[in-house]
Amino acid sequence: GAVVSQHPSWVICKSGTSVKIECRSLDFQATTMFWYRQFPKQSLMLMATSNEGSKATYEQGVEKDKFLINHASLTLSTLTVTSAHPEDSSFYICSAKAHGRQIGYGYTFGSGTRLTVV
Amino acid sequence: AQKITQTQPGMFVQEKEAVTLDCTYDTSDPSYGLFWYKQPSSGEMIFLIYQGSYDQQNATEGRYSLNFQKARKSANLVISASQLGDSAMYFCAMSPTNTGNQFYFGTGTSLTVIP
Repeated sequence: GAVVSQHPSWVICKSGTSVKIECRSLDFQATTMFWYRQFPKQSLMLMATSNEGSKATYEQGVEKDKFLINHASLTLSTLTVTSAHPEDSSFYICSAKAHGRQIGYGYTFGSGTRLTVV
Repeated sequence: AQKITQTQPGMFVQEKEAVTLDCTYDTSDPSYGLFWYKQPSSGEMIFLIYQGSYDQQNATEGRYSLNFQKARKSANLVISASQLGDSAMYFCAMSPTNTGNQFYFGTGTSLTVIP
């Protein structure tokens, strides 16, 4: 149980275009999802916290207008990278905690999306 | 401020041997959770083990055990009987209870199991 599906797993886009990444909780409700960014050989850096039905909370230094987050339902959060540039190329990964699930089971992560902007 | 430190960028271990991956943390929150995740080259984050700050006993999950020393603020991961499939990046993470479930990750340790 507690599976998070993330799509696409990889995407190549042209500079200036927008890319949408989806994160779905398949068998549980996730009131909160987290979006991380990971550069090669580096750790995961939290970008924003996505709350169902309300605005996302962005970490300091993350451009809200560039990384649009929508959490319209209890099972779906999306991250849209707008007007992508080569420096946005990175590995993006989401995570969620099942509502009511004991914290000892950890947070479930999606499989990640490798974005390459050319 | 929350901080996770993993001082071993890379580790090698012989197959079937045990290995310890170090993790220290810093937090002023009295209640927190400590986690270890495995990230293979494919990228997904695989949850391995959890230790609560108030847990009296060290957590164990199969071949994984967590050496929790609260006074030293360390949460080292011990992998016993290493297997080739254990080769991956390993991340230590902390989630203080009062921060809205936010995770703080260490920089990771790359483990290579040698046949």
